[in-house]
Amino acid sequence: DVKVTQSSRYLVKRTGEKVFLECVQDMDHENMFWYRQDPGLGLRLIYFSYDVKMKEKGDIPEGYSVSREKKERFSLILESASTNQTSMYLCASSWRDSFTTTEQFFGPGTRLTVL
Amino acid sequence: SQELEQSPQSLIVQEGKNLTINCTSSKTLYGLYWYKQKYGEGLIFLMMLQKGGEEKSHEKITAKLDEKKQQSSLHITASQPSHAGIYLCGAEGGTSYGKLTFGQGTILTVHP
Repeated sequence: DVKVTQSSRYLVKRTGEKVFLECVQDMDHENMFWYRQDPGLGLRLIYFSYDVKMKEKGDIPEGYSVSREKKERFSLILESASTNQTSMYLCASSWRDSFTTTEQFFGPGTRLTVL
Repeated sequence: SQELEQSPQSLIVQEGKNLTINCTSSKTLYGLYWYKQKYGEGLIFLMMLQKGGEEKSHEKITAKLDEKKQQSSLHITASQPSHAGIYLCGAEGGTSYGKLTFGQGTILTVHP
């Protein structure tokens, strides 16, 4: 079974703190993604990576950065957390295929609250 | 950029009733994915449709992609409380990197 794990299910941080969210997948997927999910807005892509050390901005990258030093691990970093970054964060991974998009496998999510 | 509109935004049904959720795209759909999410958890893949007119079924859930490839529907027959959750459609934008754009989700409640 494909497994995508996220470092925390629940996280509470204070405004201005640096926050690290970790995601690990065990299926040797090339693609990895970070989304945030807010009521009424669905999933919005923050960043994605299609290979080690490669990253691309998604739809809402402001206030976030990412790191992918190893193929199985994709980290989301909030340099200085703000209250409007309180959200559910979901990580996903997929194989890379030149001709078609493949199914994304999701982690359980991290519910981040910034006070 | 591609936008997906889901309807209805929320749905409350009695157990045993049939229901349909729609997903409409502003552009041609190259690949349409349906996911289900239990509250507070990650997404579970249901089905993927690629060809115009394609229809797939799994247990009591059927998904269809229209001939013009701009609308998909998810139909649940004889709903059960286990069907409750958030249903999201996701669509490929035509790139080779596998990015998906998601609709805002439909919240389904099934009363026993």
